[in-house]
Amino acid sequence: EVQLVESGGGLVQPGGSLRLSCEASGFTVTSIYMSWVRQAPGKGLEWVSSISNGGNTYYTDSVKGRFTISRDNSKNTLYLQMNSLRVDDTAVYYCARGSGYCVSTSCYPLDYWGQGTLLTVSS
Amino acid sequence: SYELTQPPSVSVSPGQTASITCSGDKLGSKYVCWYQQKPGQSPVVVIYQDRKRPSGIPERFSGSNSGNTATLTISGTQTMDEADYYCQAWDSSTAVFGTGTKVTVL
Repeated sequence: EVQLVESGGGLVQPGGSLRLSCEASGFTVTSIYMSWVRQAPGKGLEWVSSISNGGNTYYTDSVKGRFTISRDNSKNTLYLQMNSLRVDDTAVYYCARGSGYCVSTSCYPLDYWGQGTLLTVSS
Repeated sequence: SYELTQPPSVSVSPGQTASITCSGDKLGSKYVCWYQQKPGQSPVVVIYQDRKRPSGIPERFSGSNSGNTATLTISGTQTMDEADYYCQAWDSSTAVFGTGTKVTVL
């Protein structure tokens, strides 16, 4: 059974850092695209970052240079290192398998999601 | 940056058909996924690659994509379909979600 369990959220001051973790089971995180998606309180979904099975990384413009997505095959865990945090980074952060990227011969929808972890950036 | 626009809300009577649009420049040349999110829950994919349904998603959910508009159609809408729906596509190595549509069944 596929499961994703996020951890690491909490309260951080503006300018601070935090690392989110997403422990996967039922599949290997290096075998497929993995993504982080966030949702600010009362707002819609916002894609944050994805990493391909080959290790290529992709980021939304607002987090480029501040966030880093990575994975650890030995721990079967996806990470999101977040630096220089801002108040508008406050959101529930979801880890998801896939990316939503499709071509004619294959597609990687965000087919499994974690329960989310809340990050609050406030002084 | 690329934008996907959805109507904020759609209302439908039980048993009727709900259509949710997602508009973006040359969207028909990209592939679209649709996600359903109920209050307090994580999203669930209901359509991928424009029109394919994952296993376990009812046949009443269908999708299409042409020109500048993708459409999610819920036929014979049930009260359990009341939720927020988001389209998603990739453009220039970034993913984008639509603005989201709240479907109310009344």
